[in-house]
Amino acid sequence: NAGVTQTPKFQVLKTGQSMTLQCAQDMNHNSMYWYRQDPGMGLRLIYYSASEGTTDKGEVPNGYNVSRLNKREFSLRLESAAPSQTSVYFCASSQQGRGGYTFGSGTRLTVV
Amino acid sequence: EDQVTQSPEALRLQEGESSSLNCSYTVSGLRGLFWYRQDPGKGPEFLFTLYSAGEEKEKERLKATLTKKESFLHITAPKPEDSATYLCAVPSSGGSYIPTFGRGTSLIVHP
Repeated sequence: NAGVTQTPKFQVLKTGQSMTLQCAQDMNHNSMYWYRQDPGMGLRLIYYSASEGTTDKGEVPNGYNVSRLNKREFSLRLESAAPSQTSVYFCASSQQGRGGYTFGSGTRLTVV
Repeated sequence: EDQVTQSPEALRLQEGESSSLNCSYTVSGLRGLFWYRQDPGKGPEFLFTLYSAGEEKEKERLKATLTKKESFLHITAPKPEDSATYLCAVPSSGGSYIPTFGRGTSLIVHP
């Protein structure tokens, strides 16, 4: 099925470890987003990419980096994981300037 | 600053008891309002897009309406399988198309 694919689905890290969350979409969307979702906080934007070759910070970018590898793929990297980064991470995509947003199924990350 | 506020935060209904969820927004130049359903452990699933005041969309027991300041998601004769968190979002009023999400309404429908 067409949509947004995220890997991995679950991950446990130790404090200080690094990892990359992968996201790919096959809908030919221009824009891609990374959100984190925490209880009582809703969806908060970490980084977004309005189009291939551009990335910008969102509401909560500290501790994260992103790469828009090509039009399909947008990865999120934690260089030195902290317990405060324990969360559920969602990738989403949209056609720039119109239409709704399509979400992946999420990555549940625990940092111990 | 763009803002999206949803109410109530949580809602418990008996099966068949109709009700409405509210999403109020402050954004200049509305370019759409989106409703999503999110089940536990899953990503938000798109339900509706509304673009202009007076517009209505329906899907099974759900009907979304839009005014100039708010949107309502009406749930008619809900069933337990309608239990989920319902989110609304609006694209930002700036040049980007970044969505601002409300914190959602957690709906539980008891049999």
